[in-house]
Amino acid sequence: AQTVTQSQPEMSVQEAETVTLSCTYDTSESDYYLFWYKQPPSRQMILVIRQEAYKQQNATENRFSVNFQKAAKSFSLKISDSQLGDAAMYFCGGNQGGKLIFGQGTELSVKP
Amino acid sequence: GAVVSQHPSWVICKSGTSVKIECRSLDFQATTMFWYRQFPKQSLMLMATSNEGSKATYEQGVEKDKFLINHASLTLSTLTVTSAHPEDSSFYICSARGGEQFFGPGTRLTVL
Repeated sequence: AQTVTQSQPEMSVQEAETVTLSCTYDTSESDYYLFWYKQPPSRQMILVIRQEAYKQQNATENRFSVNFQKAAKSFSLKISDSQLGDAAMYFCGGNQGGKLIFGQGTELSVKP
Repeated sequence: GAVVSQHPSWVICKSGTSVKIECRSLDFQATTMFWYRQFPKQSLMLMATSNEGSKATYEQGVEKDKFLINHASLTLSTLTVTSAHPEDSSFYICSARGGEQFFGPGTRLTVL
């Protein structure tokens, strides 16, 4: 079974600054991927970034990048040059048997 | 990207009535769809996996007679909340698998 833990219920960042959201996981899958989803106030789930576990290189998508530490089972999200539109709930997670497993979420606020 | 729609986006019903929520994949075919429930400030909880042409697979603790799921075509899955009660009030989200999972915008159910 897979478990995903986000230990930061809330985070805050100043506009234009950098923030890192933490996530740890545990899985029995040998072939898996991890992801970060963003859920803004509209509540639409938006895929931010995805990392295949077999890839050593950390995934990046513009201002978003991950620090994937496979041995430590850690998968943190770094948001650079934070913008007001980045304010949202962020969910870390991974796949298990075709299903998606989500962490508890981190609510990110961005201060102007 | 692929689009998933849900209808209605918001529904209010009286206690004891049944409510049907539709989930459609608009520009791709999905043999598998998923239904989630989300309470305020909490994560997504997977309720069931819906497979086209076969019975849905429910997660532990989810009443299958309460939450009826039908996946009659490759683009449509429905969730019917039968004999709804106030404790069924929640935000219901579907996703459809077309390679990766694409999420619908969600349906807010309020049971009076």
